[in-house]
Amino acid sequence: GENVEQHPSTLSVQEGDSAVIKCTYSDSASNYFPWYKQELGKGPQLIIDIRSNVGEKKDQRIAVTLNKTAKHFSLHITETQPEDSAVYFCAASMGAAGNKLTFGGGTRVLVKP
Amino acid sequence: DTAVSQTPKYLVTQMGNDKSIKCEQNLGHDTMYWYKQDSKKFLKIMFSYNNKELIINETVPNRFSPKSPDKAHLNLHINSLELGDSAVYFCASSHNRVKGYTFGSGTRLTVV
Repeated sequence: GENVEQHPSTLSVQEGDSAVIKCTYSDSASNYFPWYKQELGKGPQLIIDIRSNVGEKKDQRIAVTLNKTAKHFSLHITETQPEDSAVYFCAASMGAAGNKLTFGGGTRVLVKP
Repeated sequence: DTAVSQTPKYLVTQMGNDKSIKCEQNLGHDTMYWYKQDSKKFLKIMFSYNNKELIINETVPNRFSPKSPDKAHLNLHINSLELGDSAVYFCASSHNRVKGYTFGSGTRLTVV
């Protein structure tokens, strides 16, 4: 089955700096790659996603890139703010029956004011 | 107007007991899921239902039994609770044609 690895496990940045989280996946059939943000005591919330027919997608301060050949994708957060502090998860899906998402292990991001 | 709601939010119970967690979504989604998040924050799928039909069962012990009375509800019943069942359980839903999930706020289960 699919295996998703995520790095780093923790990331501390100064407010205003950029943060980058990287993920690799194992199954070349995966075609959908969402990113989730989980704040303390809450469920994961979808923040951005990318499909395999697109190489890059941007939404304000957040961007995601996908390299299908290397089977890796990354989340970029620019001009970080304290409210960006959370745990971020990448995931991958093959879009098969049941639409199963396989998640990476998560990255705890701390933005220091 | 909560999209995916699960109850209870907290559940503390003794080993050997049987308990249920309820989940409801008002988004009109076709597919619902249960995920388990362990103490290290790792999220792992347990079950997936599509229009009340079981689609995914990820080698979960048969002490865990999901039930979907209709496509807006997916409940999780757990028999003979064990210490290792302590975790946060998340319900989620998605539309077949749009793959992003909407998660509930989680149920923190503590088995003592």
